Amino acid sequence: QKEVEQNSGPLSVPEGAIASLNCTYSDRGSQSFFWYRQYSGKSPELIMSIYSNGDKEDGRFTAQLNKASQYVSLLIRDSQPSDSATYLCAVRRSNDYKLSFGAGTTVTVRA
Amino acid sequence: SAVISQKPSRDICQRGTSLTIQCQVDSQVTMMFWYRQQPGQSLTLIATANQGSEATYESGFVIDKFPISRPNLTFSTLTVSNMSPEDSSIYLCSVAADTSTDTQYFGPGTRLTVL
Repeated sequence: QKEVEQNSGPLSVPEGAIASLNCTYSDRGSQSFFWYRQYSGKSPELIMSIYSNGDKEDGRFTAQLNKASQYVSLLIRDSQPSDSATYLCAVRRSNDYKLSFGAGTTVTVRA
Repeated sequence: SAVISQKPSRDICQRGTSLTIQCQVDSQVTMMFWYRQQPGQSLTLIATANQGSEATYESGFVIDKFPISRPNLTFSTLTVSNMSPEDSSIYLCSVAADTSTDTQYFGPGTRLTVL
């Protein structure tokens, strides 16, 4: 079982719609979770971090965490063409301070 | 967040040669990491660069192939030694302020092509 798994893409959504990205993790002791956005040819850029169960909103982005289900998600509301990128889920390992990354989900927003 | 730069931004190298990649941060940071991102793949941690001591390597990565230096709290280098085409990747450094601040920020990356 992979440490971090993301829903396979690519995900294509029309402009203005909600894009929903999912991530599951295997380390039950993990406490810190991150979403990075990576544009083609660029390095990952942090967009959200979440540490507690529930929802965390930042602008058009909402991260959701359910530690009991070992599940973290990212919602992008009112999707824009500029949101077209690969989104990486990262989970901090419980036994050290390092991050494990999922394979990423590529999102394309259709104008 | 810290401003991170990497040199070179890209390079094309011949097999059997070595390339040293530099990572510079504009402020002191406790944690520096080196990652590899192969084409179409996610990020794989190579090692943690430790200031004043040997780097800590992840499973599958060894010091002879990827020697790392960390002379101070703002600078690190990664060398890719005796390169083969399989080493063609993007190499990224990342930093975190300290072990309690687990948020990592990434440099712009070095795109390496080995012929």
